[in-house]
Amino acid sequence: EIVLTQSPDTLSLSPGERATLSCRASQSVDSYLGWYQQKPGQAPRLLIYDASNRATGIPARFSGSGSGTDFTLTISSLEPEDFAVYYCQQRSNWPMTFGQGTRLDIK
Amino acid sequence: EVQLVESGGGLLQPGGSLRLSCAASGFTFSNYAINWVRQVPGKGLEWVAAISGSGYSTYYGDSVKGRITISRDNSKNIVYLQMNSLRAEDTAVYYCAKALSSVQWWWHHWGQGTPVTVSS
Repeated sequence: EIVLTQSPDTLSLSPGERATLSCRASQSVDSYLGWYQQKPGQAPRLLIYDASNRATGIPARFSGSGSGTDFTLTISSLEPEDFAVYYCQQRSNWPMTFGQGTRLDIK
Repeated sequence: EVQLVESGGGLLQPGGSLRLSCAASGFTFSNYAINWVRQVPGKGLEWVAAISGSGYSTYYGDSVKGRITISRDNSKNIVYLQMNSLRAEDTAVYYCAKALSSVQWWWHHWGQGTPVTVSS
């Protein structure tokens, strides 16, 4: 199975700052990479699919990039509601897999 | 409005069996794949299984293959997850989620989750 490794495990930033989260795949997933946000007590929320497409209703401050094995989720200017855990997921090969998550904390 | 409601979770003994249900509404059910994802409290997401809209294609995570069966009843708008030979490590909240589109298997709408505890 494809292993997704996210970095860093925890990122501490202040509102208004730029956040850069990384996801590296153990083999190429082409552009079949998605990003999810999860807040405590809530189900995950799809943010980005196919590496760079924003899901419906996702603010423009969220953007995704990358292809092959290296991907980035960027939040251009953090809002208070963005502090959460972020997961990447691949659908290039079965089984689908998730990364271990990056926790974005308020500094 | 799309709605997914999981049910069937609870406290089970090791070695037991359980069937989770995911009842859907608000969309043309047979057009969309559905998957199950689980999460141990305080830990990350683990993809479990997926089924195509027709039900003809099913896929499983490596850790559950052989013990879990995903199925669907398109006449009732329900997806099932049959879990056998339960282990302590199956303890988690189980979410079902609907695909973004008929061909894009990204998980766009999620249920609230149902907890499963496997313990003696």
